[in-house]
Amino acid sequence: GENVEQHPSTLSVQEGDSAVIKCTYSDSASNYFPWYKQELGKGPQLIIDIRSNVGEKKDQRIAVTLNKTAKHFSLHITETQPEDSAVYFCAALYTGTASKLTFGTGTRLQVTL
Amino acid sequence: NAGVTQTPKFRVLKTGQSMTLLCAQDMNHEYMYWYRQDPGMGLRLIHYSVGEGTTAKGEVPDGYNVSRLKKQNFLLGLESAAPSQTSVYFCASRDPPGGFSSYNEQFFGPGTRLTVL
Repeated sequence: GENVEQHPSTLSVQEGDSAVIKCTYSDSASNYFPWYKQELGKGPQLIIDIRSNVGEKKDQRIAVTLNKTAKHFSLHITETQPEDSAVYFCAALYTGTASKLTFGTGTRLQVTL
Repeated sequence: NAGVTQTPKFRVLKTGQSMTLLCAQDMNHEYMYWYRQDPGMGLRLIHYSVGEGTTAKGEVPDGYNVSRLKKQNFLLGLESAAPSQTSVYFCASRDPPGGFSSYNEQFFGPGTRLTVL
């Protein structure tokens, strides 16, 4: 099955700085990589995703890059704000039935003033 | 639209007790999933369903059973709760590939925090 590793487990940045979270996956056939944001006491919410035929995707202050050869993808948040503080999960679509996702172990991002 | 809802929000059980967690979605999604979330371990798939009347095992199915009698509902049962099942449980749903809604997105409920003493 798929295995997804995520680093770092915690990340503290000052407001206005950039944050980068990295993930690697094992199944070379995976073709879809979403990022979820989970605020305290809530369920994960999709913030950005990328398909394997694209190398980079941006949405305002967030961007995701994908390196298929190295089997890794990253989340970049620029000009961080206190409301970016949350737990972020990367995931990879498992190539099999039911479109199952395999999740990384999460990164707790703390944006300090 | 309420999206994905979960009942109850919190529950405390004693070892050996049973309970059922209810997940409901109003987006007419075919696929539904149950995950558990534990510190440092991300979200792990317990069981899933690709349509009404179907269920299948995920990564960590032991100690759990599920049923999908109606398309909009996915029930997770614990027949004899154990302290190792203390966790936060999330339900999710999505359309199958090529479906109407956003490509590949899984929509999550707010979670059920379960403590087994």
